[in-house]
Amino acid sequence: AQSVTQLDSHVSVSEGTPVLLRCNYSSSYSPSLFWYVQHPNKGLQLLLKYTSAATLVKGINGFEAEFKKSETSFHLTKPSAHMSDAAEYFCVVRGFGNEKLTFGTGTRLTIIP
Amino acid sequence: DTGVSQDPRHKITKRGQNVTFRCDPISEHNRLYWYRQTLGQGPEFLTYFQNEAQLEKSRLLSDRFSAERPKGSFSTLEIQRTEQGDSAMYLCASSFSPGRGTVYYEQYFGPGTRLTVT
Repeated sequence: AQSVTQLDSHVSVSEGTPVLLRCNYSSSYSPSLFWYVQHPNKGLQLLLKYTSAATLVKGINGFEAEFKKSETSFHLTKPSAHMSDAAEYFCVVRGFGNEKLTFGTGTRLTIIP
Repeated sequence: DTGVSQDPRHKITKRGQNVTFRCDPISEHNRLYWYRQTLGQGPEFLTYFQNEAQLEKSRLLSDRFSAERPKGSFSTLEIQRTEQGDSAMYLCASSFSPGRGTVYYEQYFGPGTRLTVT
């Protein structure tokens, strides 16, 4: 079985400052990990994915995440927050050969002007 | 708009009534997924189809829930004898995959149907 834990339910940062959203995973197999973003009244959108290639993964809108097996972490970062980044972010794991995505409970990112 | 569409976007029903939701996937996508998202939680997997075959069902999908994809295109999710605990956002997603395996093909999500049971 696989699972993810998002360590912060709410993160607030000032516009132009770095963003860090934390995620730890648990998986019996080598996991596939993702970050999805959900803007109000919009569908979930894939930000980036890790599927056992490079451990540093770059995504859309300047986001990136680093897979650290020793720490079982997959934290999401962005060097400089923009107002449009305000949304709910989900860390997601997919098990080996499994179609089911398991979502974390989400982190709400607020950007302070 | 060529994304995943869901209908209706909002549904209010009384406890005990039946409801049906529709999902139209992206054209040519052979896989279709249903998820449920309750307030303050992440989406939870319910079931998925490859073409018209329902290949996996979660234990969350009680006997009151049934999903179909009769022609391998759109899908319906029916909830019979609704309960207040069924109040949630029901999300549909689709993807294209040439076959089973370890490669991940992105799931594209629709905007969801918000169900409120009074």
